Amino acid sequence: NAGVMQNPRHLVRRRGQEARLRCSPMKGHSHVYWYRQLPEEGLKFMVYLQKENIIDESGMPKERFSAEFPKEGPSILRIQQVVRGDSAAYFCASSPPGQGGPQHFGDGTRLSIL
Amino acid sequence: DQQVKQNSPSLSVQEGRISILNCDYTNSMFDYFLWYKKYPAEGPTFLISISSIKDKNEDGRFTVFLNKSAKHLSLHIVPSQPGDSAVYFCAASALSGGSNYKLTFGKGTLLTVNP
Repeated sequence: NAGVMQNPRHLVRRRGQEARLRCSPMKGHSHVYWYRQLPEEGLKFMVYLQKENIIDESGMPKERFSAEFPKEGPSILRIQQVVRGDSAAYFCASSPPGQGGPQHFGDGTRLSIL
Repeated sequence: DQQVKQNSPSLSVQEGRISILNCDYTNSMFDYFLWYKKYPAEGPTFLISISSIKDKNEDGRFTVFLNKSAKHLSLHIVPSQPGDSAVYFCAASALSGGSNYKLTFGKGTLLTVNP
């Protein structure tokens, strides 16, 4: 899992604050995916990005959540005005260009909302 | 609506024996299936995959079987080792449907291998 780097590993926010989660894909990978895992649940797809493009954000809540993958730098998942229900583990995965092949995951960011 | 189901939350086996983890799916568009292993406080690690054109794929101690008519797949680990103790997730995607990137996960099965 060391290939995909996520930070911070743990993030604590109070209700109403903003949370920013960062993800650097594996070297050579240009596709980034974000998943959310609630307690006792499987991972749920949120968004798929390529450099400077959002390809599919069908799994993202309509409000307060946004994601970007700029030309330079890591991908960012941003949650504005956090609520208790946002507490979860957020995983980033990456894959190389082209179809097929497994996604490789980072170790996640555990977000806790006080 | 859970499209990928792992009906056994946990499984306990003896070291050296076979572990069989099961997964069922409901979406007939799924044609690519993966198994991931996850340790606490880590991300999922890819184990093995299978596409719907095959019914079996083998990699060392790990074998995945796919029964398309039953919409069922299983992961066999032989022989099981204590280091295999982890949560195992089954995941599926629709390669031919153009959304191969969107993995749908089951809730996972906690495997415990006893020495």
